Amino acid sequence: EIVLTQSPGTLSLSPGERATLSCRASQSVSSSYLAWYQQKPGQAPRLLIYGASSRATGIPDRFSGSGSGTDFTLTISRLEPEDFAVYYCQQYVTSPRTFGQGTKVEIK
Amino acid sequence: QVQLEQSGAEVKKPGASVKVSCKASGYTFTSYGISWVRQAPGQGLEWMGWISTYNGYTSYAQNLQGRLTLTTDTSTSTVYMKLRSLTSVDTAVYYCARDGTSYCGGDCWEDFWGQGTLVTVSS
Repeated sequence: EIVLTQSPGTLSLSPGERATLSCRASQSVSSSYLAWYQQKPGQAPRLLIYGASSRATGIPDRFSGSGSGTDFTLTISRLEPEDFAVYYCQQYVTSPRTFGQGTKVEIK
Repeated sequence: QVQLEQSGAEVKKPGASVKVSCKASGYTFTSYGISWVRQAPGQGLEWMGWISTYNGYTSYAQNLQGRLTLTTDTSTSTVYMKLRSLTSVDTAVYYCARDGTSYCGGDCWEDFWGQGTLVTVSS
């Protein structure tokens, strides 16, 4: 099973600032089979990024994904009030698909 | 528009089973597999398993093998998740989610999610 470790656990930032979230895999995630999801309290997760860097339909371009192999990054260029949430990475190259433990982006 | 409508909240006693449904609409049901993901209170996301709505093939997380069964009813565009021998650690919100591309064979992200079903296990 591929273990995904996200850092930091919590990111305290102000609206307008840049957020950089990390996701590290215990073994290579080939073909960049990595996704990012956003989850707000009481809501289902929402797909942001798939294939490590492809934005899902309707996702603003302030969200971008990068990386390959074992190191991946989600960047939010300028935080909007609605971006404060928990973010999860997920690998889907092997079964079981696994999630990271999440990074909470909170208002400073 | 794509929609996944899940059945309502359940309260079960330890040792019982629960069956949650996920009814799909707005797309060709048999073209996209469905995964189940659960989230215990205050915790992260746990992928449980996946079913091909095309041929019924399933893949389960190892820690749930033997307790989890996913089935599909193409006549009603519905996927079912049954979990047996429930304990308190199974208390969670259970989500169904659609594969991000058609016929991806299990190596897929999830693009559309159901609203979630709270299953509470308590004596």
